[in-house]
Amino acid sequence: GAGVSQSPSNKVTEKGKDVELRCDPISGHTALYWYRQSLGQGLEFLIYFQGNSAPDKSGLPSDRFSAERTGGSVSTLTIQRTQQEDSAVYLCASSFVSAGGEGYTFGSGTRLTVV
Amino acid sequence: GNSVTQMEGPVTLSEEAFLTINCTYTATGYPSLFWYVQYPGEGLQLLLKATKADDKGSNKGFEATYRKETTSFHLEKGSVQVSDSAVYFCALFKAAGNKLTFGGGTRVLVKP
Repeated sequence: GAGVSQSPSNKVTEKGKDVELRCDPISGHTALYWYRQSLGQGLEFLIYFQGNSAPDKSGLPSDRFSAERTGGSVSTLTIQRTQQEDSAVYLCASSFVSAGGEGYTFGSGTRLTVV
Repeated sequence: GNSVTQMEGPVTLSEEAFLTINCTYTATGYPSLFWYVQYPGEGLQLLLKATKADDKGSNKGFEATYRKETTSFHLEKGSVQVSDSAVYFCALFKAAGNKLTFGGGTRVLVKP
């Protein structure tokens, strides 16, 4: 597609349930990033995938969070046993790794609400 | 570690007013600096960038100068429009980590 696609756009879940968020990056982009945008907290880095290299998971807030990227394309962010503090907008971005900080294309995000 | 601090909003202005959003950073070496903008209902998009000290990035009437001595990258626009209403994010990039580090974002509301 022409842009980064994220689904669902909105998700309401009950506390304690697991959720999966999906990101379809731009075709050919080798780098994929997940960020979390919480009210008043700005954009928090979660995880970064680059080709076949081991992902940079340094931003994942707890072991309830995990992500995978299959075939170097689609990525899924999974949150297990969701808590109310997980409520946020989850943003995905992709880029050519050589583009540096200017080459990010962001999706419109998934708004997660944990009730 | 790397970090970016920007002024909290919301900032409310009248059309044609002067806008400044302060941004300072903490990082070793010489990161690249960026301003990203998020218009209502849209994804983040790059507004402008500067890759070395004293560089000035500019786009759509916005400007920001990379000041190494003050570790700052303040965003300015001389005459804002209603269409500039958005959330603005300052960010830095270092090749070693290959990821953007963002500030907290500043919401700007321009009233007619």
